[in-house]
Amino acid sequence: KQEVTQIPAALSVPEGENLVLNCSFTDSAIYNLQWFRQDPGKGLTSLLLIQSSQREQTSGRLNASLDKSSGRSTLYIAASQPGDSATYLCAVETSGSRLTFGEGTQLTVNP
Amino acid sequence: GAVVSQHPSRVICKSGTSVKIECRSLDFQATTMFWYRQFPKQSLMLMATSNEGSKATYEQGVEKDKFLINHASLTLSTLTVTSAHPEDSSFYICSARVLHLAGAETQYFGPGTRLLVL
Repeated sequence: KQEVTQIPAALSVPEGENLVLNCSFTDSAIYNLQWFRQDPGKGLTSLLLIQSSQREQTSGRLNASLDKSSGRSTLYIAASQPGDSATYLCAVETSGSRLTFGEGTQLTVNP
Repeated sequence: GAVVSQHPSRVICKSGTSVKIECRSLDFQATTMFWYRQFPKQSLMLMATSNEGSKATYEQGVEKDKFLINHASLTLSTLTVTSAHPEDSSFYICSARVLHLAGAETQYFGPGTRLLVL
């Protein structure tokens, strides 16, 4: 059974800092890995999707990497801003389009 | 990007009643939709896969008779929580799968429905 773990569970940083969120998964037989953002009481916003054959994806200040063989992914956020405060979830897709989510990292960026 | 809506966004009901939640794909057709449940401070847990015109596939531990799923059209799936109890209080999120050319696919998520059972 696929298990996804995210570290840290919570992170508080001052504005402007660069930061790294970590995600690990137990079964490397994945189709892709996706990072989402969830604001309190809201649905999910997809940030980056990395196919299993890819190593990284970038969008603006966000960079996500994937090491499928070791079961790890990182989400790098550059020059963090208060508006980045949210919960960040990673999810891996396995057969049947099933997504398995981690428990998330709650990020607070302080002005 | 594609838009998925959910209705209602929030519902409060009495214990023992049934509640229906709708998930609609607004500008695309979705042969497959997914229903997730999220308890406070926890991640999303897949409840079931809803396929248009056929029975839903439920994850282990999810009672199919309690969580009735109907996917009657290519743009609508409904989740009915029957005889709701306080422990069913949760955030329910649906997603709809879009198949692109060359076999790629994307899941688009709805905004969620907050259910509170008193």
